[in-house]
Amino acid sequence: QITLKEAGPTLVKPTETLTLTCTFSGFSLSTNRVAVSWIRQPPGKALEYLALIYWDDDKRYSPSVKNRLTLTKDASKNQVVLTMTNMDPADTATYYCGHSDLMRIAAGRSGGVDVWGQGTTVTVSS
Amino acid sequence: EIVMTQSPGTLSLSPGERATLSCRASQSVSISYLAWYQQKPGQVPRLLIYGTSSRATGVPDRFSGSGSGTDFTLTISRLEPEDFAVYYCQQYGTSPWMFGQGTKVEVK
Repeated sequence: QITLKEAGPTLVKPTETLTLTCTFSGFSLSTNRVAVSWIRQPPGKALEYLALIYWDDDKRYSPSVKNRLTLTKDASKNQVVLTMTNMDPADTATYYCGHSDLMRIAAGRSGGVDVWGQGTTVTVSS
Repeated sequence: EIVMTQSPGTLSLSPGERATLSCRASQSVSISYLAWYQQKPGQVPRLLIYGTSSRATGVPDRFSGSGSGTDFTLTISRLEPEDFAVYYCQQYGTSPWMFGQGTKVEVK
């Protein structure tokens, strides 16, 4: 069974750096064709795709946050870390991490983000 | 990036009615890489449809997906009370895997 859980501060000040950790089980980021995504959702608003890190450490970022966002992985700890600099009140949101099985996607047996973490709410305020 | 646009923003229907949700991409998306998610209030999004038309595990067959190129549709044949929620489309063929802005299906 695949599970993911996000952890980090609930409150950050404007201009500070946010660090969130996604800890997962049921799969390994050392395994071929696996990826972890980060997605956020401001209160009452739509989902926003932030970034993706692949098993081979390739990373893809949304242009809207590319200059502020960094993903790293520690496969031995089953963790992915999101770091976002220069936080702004507009970054207030619930942040989710999620699993994708690229092999199953390529075989047409799955798609997108198939398992999501519970999300963690981050408020940016002074 | 591929921009996904959903319409309508809100759909007001009664239980038992048919719901038709649209998703348009700013450039062609492979049918293999179009998904729909359902999100109920206070809940985590749930993968509903992948590959344009394949239902995820446990999804009732009243949900169906179709489309190709830049135009995709999610149809709920007969709305059940538990189907009133927000639905998002997503393309996952080209990074970043963008979402649409969502369609809220509400009780009329």
